[in-house]
Amino acid sequence: DAGITQSPRHKVTETGTPVTLRCHQTENHRYMYWYRQDPGHGLRLIHYSYGVKDTDKGEVSDGYSVSRSKTEDFLLTLESATSSQTSVYFCAISASQGTETQYFGPGTRLLVL
Amino acid sequence: GENVEQHPSTLSVQEGDSAVIKCTYSDSASNYFPWYKQELGKGPQLIIDIRSNVGEKKDQRIAVTLNKTAKHFSLHITETQPEDSAVYFCAAPVTGGYQKVTFGTGTKLQVIP
Repeated sequence: DAGITQSPRHKVTETGTPVTLRCHQTENHRYMYWYRQDPGHGLRLIHYSYGVKDTDKGEVSDGYSVSRSKTEDFLLTLESATSSQTSVYFCAISASQGTETQYFGPGTRLLVL
Repeated sequence: GENVEQHPSTLSVQEGDSAVIKCTYSDSASNYFPWYKQELGKGPQLIIDIRSNVGEKKDQRIAVTLNKTAKHFSLHITETQPEDSAVYFCAAPVTGGYQKVTFGTGTKLQVIP
């Protein structure tokens, strides 16, 4: 398995609180992604990174921000959590251009009450 | 952007039978089509992929076919086994994006012993 860890693995929080999820990789891959997975919607891209300090929005980025200060870490922040952000969040990585395979982490299950 | 449709959403087969999952895509410039398998409680994992310069690719009991004219590709699993039970996702690249793909909504495959 690709060396990807996510923390925490489970979290329960209250509406209005900020939440930060962490993705850590040991593969030195350039590209990193955050997805959310919800029934009936598959995997939807929230934000992605194409290098240190280089990030861009995905299709469902509202209410989320990201940061990547080191190659190995990609942080996802819910600025003020809402119940609609209850989901399973997956981090993924991929290597250089032309090798599009994405390797996924184990996921973080987030419940916003 | 790319739009990927996946059918069926659920599929039940008897052990030993074949299973077929189909996806259609919208961007005729797409040239890479991966399939991912997600087991319960885990992140998706690539099981097979195909590029637009071939029409079919096989790996033991799994095969993928591609029809670029019709813009659809399919996953075929023969001699299904209980361990094939999982959720399967197709994906297609977002043209011009940094290694981004759009995922289908997933197919839950149940293999009945």
